[in-house]
Amino acid sequence: EVQLVESGGALVQPGGSLRLSCAASGFTFSNYAMTWVRQAPGKGLEWVSYISASGSNIDYADSVKGRLTISRDNAKNSLSLQMNSLRDEDTAVYYCARVKGNYFDSNFDFWGQGTLVTVSS
Amino acid sequence: EIVMTQSPATLSVSPGERATLSCRASQSISSNLAWYQQKPGQAPRLLIYGASTRATGIPARFSGSGSGTEFTLTISSLLSEDFAVYYCQQYNKWPPFTFGQGTKLEI
Repeated sequence: EVQLVESGGALVQPGGSLRLSCAASGFTFSNYAMTWVRQAPGKGLEWVSYISASGSNIDYADSVKGRLTISRDNAKNSLSLQMNSLRDEDTAVYYCARVKGNYFDSNFDFWGQGTLVTVSS
Repeated sequence: EIVMTQSPATLSVSPGERATLSCRASQSISSNLAWYQQKPGQAPRLLIYGASTRATGIPARFSGSGSGTEFTLTISSLLSEDFAVYYCQQYNKWPPFTFGQGTKLEI
């Protein structure tokens, strides 16, 4: 059974930092690209970042570029999101999700339960 | 960036009835479209990919259609568990991946 479990969400002040983690199990982690998607309270889904299976290809939404850094450790079946210079508008539930396939099959077939990041003074 | 627009924002339907949700892309995305279901307090779940292929374990009452810029998600006979928010997502030209704003299906 595919499982994705996020952790690390917390209350943080504007300008602060936080590191989110996503522990993967039930599949060969190193074979799949992964992604982060966030959802602000009462709002829709917003894609945040993507990392290829090997970690060699990385993309970010313009809204987070230069502040958030995605990484993965295939030996530990783990995905991370380092969040720096946090802003109020980064407040959201952050989901990690598995990317199903290659470029034209890159929908998100499994999702974690999410972790809440609140940016507030 | 490809903009995805869903309609209506809210759809009120009775159990047992048919629901039709729409999603429009600002440019052609071929059939590279997915639909997700999200219930309150839960993560999204993949329903449909490739515009019309049901994901593993998704009941046959869910069907998707369309290509290019116009897409439809149809739920043939609504059960109480189907009342949720539905999102479409394009993955034809990325980054960025883009989602529609969602359609809330309510009783």
